[in-house]
Amino acid sequence: GAVVSQHPSWVICKSGTSVKIECRSLDFQATTMFWYRQFPKQSLMLMATSNEGSKATYEQGVEKDKFLINHASLTLSTLTVTSAHPEDSSFYICSAPAGGTWGAQYFGPGTRLLVL
Amino acid sequence: AQSVTQPDIHITVSEGASLELRCNYSYGATPYLFWYVQSPGQGLQLLLKYFSGDTLVQGIKGFEAEFKRSQSSFNLRKPSVHWSDAAEYFCAVGAKSSGDKLTFGTGTRLAVRP
Repeated sequence: GAVVSQHPSWVICKSGTSVKIECRSLDFQATTMFWYRQFPKQSLMLMATSNEGSKATYEQGVEKDKFLINHASLTLSTLTVTSAHPEDSSFYICSAPAGGTWGAQYFGPGTRLLVL
Repeated sequence: AQSVTQPDIHITVSEGASLELRCNYSYGATPYLFWYVQSPGQGLQLLLKYFSGDTLVQGIKGFEAEFKRSQSSFNLRKPSVHWSDAAEYFCAVGAKSSGDKLTFGTGTRLAVRP
């Protein structure tokens, strides 16, 4: 089946630095990708929809300047956490729609971010 | 706005026993419902989905789910659990009006006793 990869799988950074997370669709093209944030023992919260060739659509309450999203090509979307703080520590997951099956998505394995 | 509730945070069953994971949704119209499984180090994988038609849907790995409109439920079942089924299970709801966006429940962590 279709595969979505994320890199890195985990990252530790100092407070105030920026971290970039990549999401790639390996064997299919994705004009749309989704970015989620998952806190321990909580649900996946949709942060934004990444759109190839246009601006990302952010969910209410998500800071656009904090979480920069770039959909550089049909197989790559990046999420940059700018000026990271400890409260940004979380598990970030990306997904891409499974073409032909409405609503179904292919998920990446996630990136665990720890900000010290 | 749609919402999903998974009342059980953690469930432990013995290998070979039956399993039912509960999911209740809130949505004004007929929802599109999904069950995903998340194993450590792996991305969420679609187990099954319900769009319309037969209310009992079959999925992968021997799972099934039944849509009950009167109870706003979409419970996941498996007649005989295997140790490899230990994972986190998420119920999700979507709607055509919200594009491909999904709303997820908080998940149920399944442990399997040998």
